Amino acid sequence: GDSVTQTEGQVALSEEDFLTIHCNYSASGYPTLFWYVQYPGEGPQLLFRASRDKEKGSSRGFEATYDKGTTSFHLRKASVQESDSAVYYCALSSDSNYQLIWGSGTKLIIKP
Amino acid sequence: DPKIIQKPKYLVAVTGSEKILICEQYLGHNAMYWYRQSAKKPLEFMFSYSYQKLMDNQTASSRFQPQSSKKNHLDLQITALKPDDSATYFCASSPTGGNTLYFGAGTRLSVL
Repeated sequence: GDSVTQTEGQVALSEEDFLTIHCNYSASGYPTLFWYVQYPGEGPQLLFRASRDKEKGSSRGFEATYDKGTTSFHLRKASVQESDSAVYYCALSSDSNYQLIWGSGTKLIIKP
Repeated sequence: DPKIIQKPKYLVAVTGSEKILICEQYLGHNAMYWYRQSAKKPLEFMFSYSYQKLMDNQTASSRFQPQSSKKNHLDLQITALKPDDSATYFCASSPTGGNTLYFGAGTRLSVL
């Protein structure tokens, strides 16, 4: 079945560091790929999505590019801030029954 | 203003009791969902409803019963509560035909 793999369970960075969170997927065809962010005490919220190969999604300085060749949708940000501390989820949707397939999440910690 | 309202925010219950988690959405969506989040499983899909009809059920136990009295309501009744049911329960919604989910802030349930 379809799956999403996030290899980093936790990432600890200092402010202004470059961020990469890896996301690889397994699905047939062209699934829609998502990044969600969950701040403490809140539900997940959509960061952005992409539906086609080479499409770049971006929001709030975060970006990811849909790469069908490597089946990846890695999240990047050039300079992280303390307010970026949250859990980031990669997800995919490969059909019309509305069920998202979720990665295990990556907790981003910004060191003081 | 929050567009998806979940009540209560925190809930403490004793083993064997029954509780109802409330969810109302004001986004005009016709699809609604329940997810569970715990330390063991970051985000676990439970149910999906479309136009007040059950579309998908990934919950093994019949102790969990969604209830949709109105188009924008999807409550979750949990009977014979167990300590393992302790988790945060998130309600979500999406536009019909869309696969982007919008989440509420969650109900944090603790079963003693």
